[in-house]
Amino acid sequence: DAKTTQPNSMESNEEEPVHLPCNHSTISGTDYIHWYRQLPSQGPEYVIHGLTSNVNNRMASLAIAEDRKSSTLILHRATLRDAAVYYCILDSNYQLIWGAGTKLIIKP
Amino acid sequence: NAGVTQTPKFRVLKTGQSMTLLCAQDMNHEYMYWYRQDPGMGLRLIHYSVGEGTTAKGEVPDGYNVSRLKKQNFLLGLESAAPSQTSVYFCASGEDGDPYEQYFGPGTRLTVT
Repeated sequence: DAKTTQPNSMESNEEEPVHLPCNHSTISGTDYIHWYRQLPSQGPEYVIHGLTSNVNNRMASLAIAEDRKSSTLILHRATLRDAAVYYCILDSNYQLIWGAGTKLIIKP
Repeated sequence: NAGVTQTPKFRVLKTGQSMTLLCAQDMNHEYMYWYRQDPGMGLRLIHYSVGEGTTAKGEVPDGYNVSRLKKQNFLLGLESAAPSQTSVYFCASGEDGDPYEQYFGPGTRLTVT
């Protein structure tokens, strides 16, 4: 199964943009890239997903490299409520393969 | 609309005891999943179901069984609990036609002593 690599943690200031990187060098042509986040003591929450083109929704944007070996989740204006663990995930036949994620710390 | 609910929220078992975790969803989703999450780690898929009456093994199925007798419910059973099964268990469901957006329950914290 294809795997993802993310930094263990990142810090950002409140009301500034945040770019969360993810490497997935062994991605196959049909693997979607998913991002979920998990707030403390809660279940994960869907953020965004994409295949080849960049994607935008009300929560975030997803920028996918042309070779699809990396992607970046962009939070346009981080708030304290965005402090969470962010997971970059590839799917394989209805299964999501989770890594350890990036802990995002937001400084007031 | 309650979304995905899990019962119980907490449980302590002794080694060798059995129990069943219940997951219910009211969104009419076809797909349902059971995951476990150990401290500091991502989720690992235990079993999943792509429709009523169907189940399939995930990444870590050993020691667990599941049943999907009704579309809205997905049961996870531990036949003989072991300390290695101490974890937080999450249930999720996904929409027909778009299984990749999964909706998660609040989790069940299980401790096996």
